[in-house]
Amino acid sequence: LAKTTQPISMDSYEGQEVNITCSHNNIATNDYITWYQQFPSQGPRFIIQGYKTKVTNEVASLFIPADRKSSTLSLPRVSLSDTAVYYCLVGGGATNKLIFGTGTLLAVQP
Amino acid sequence: EPEVTQTPSHQVTQMGQEVILRCVPISNHLYFYWYRQILGQKVEFLVSFYNNEISEKSEIFDDQFSVERPDGSNFTLKIRSTKLEDSAMYFCASSDGEAYGYTFGSGTRLTVV
Repeated sequence: LAKTTQPISMDSYEGQEVNITCSHNNIATNDYITWYQQFPSQGPRFIIQGYKTKVTNEVASLFIPADRKSSTLSLPRVSLSDTAVYYCLVGGGATNKLIFGTGTLLAVQP
Repeated sequence: EPEVTQTPSHQVTQMGQEVILRCVPISNHLYFYWYRQILGQKVEFLVSFYNNEISEKSEIFDDQFSVERPDGSNFTLKIRSTKLEDSAMYFCASSDGEAYGYTFGSGTRLTVV
């Protein structure tokens, strides 16, 4: 499974756009990139998944360059309730186990 | 939105006792998982379950652990003789094997004293 590297923490203010970048240099051809969000004492929650280029849903956008060695999760206009840990995961298939790293703790301030 | 339900939300048990953590996965999901998270640490994979058998397990999932799907709706994790280091949040998750992502439950906080 490809190893991922992401910042340990980030700070932002309400209303700003937040971009969290994840490096995955050893991504395999059949690997997807998936982002999860976790609030304290809750289970991780699926945010978005992509394979290449750009994916957008009602919550976030995911940008993946052509070489797929990194990806950027973009959260538009964050609010205080977006304060959470965000995990970047790389792997193949909807049934394979998930390997979580330490994630990025995003702190949104008023 | 469909949910994965876990009970109890908190459980305190004495060292050496058996505990059973319960999960009700999403009804049309076929793949089931247990993960755990020790306070302040990463979410760790324990076991995956499909077609009434374990498909993969981690080194953490030793002989003290077992999983069962006793009926069509419940998925349980049993720890036979709890140790202090088993204290953690235990998360159940399920997947339909086709859509993106898993759905996790809210977890059971297990405290072994």
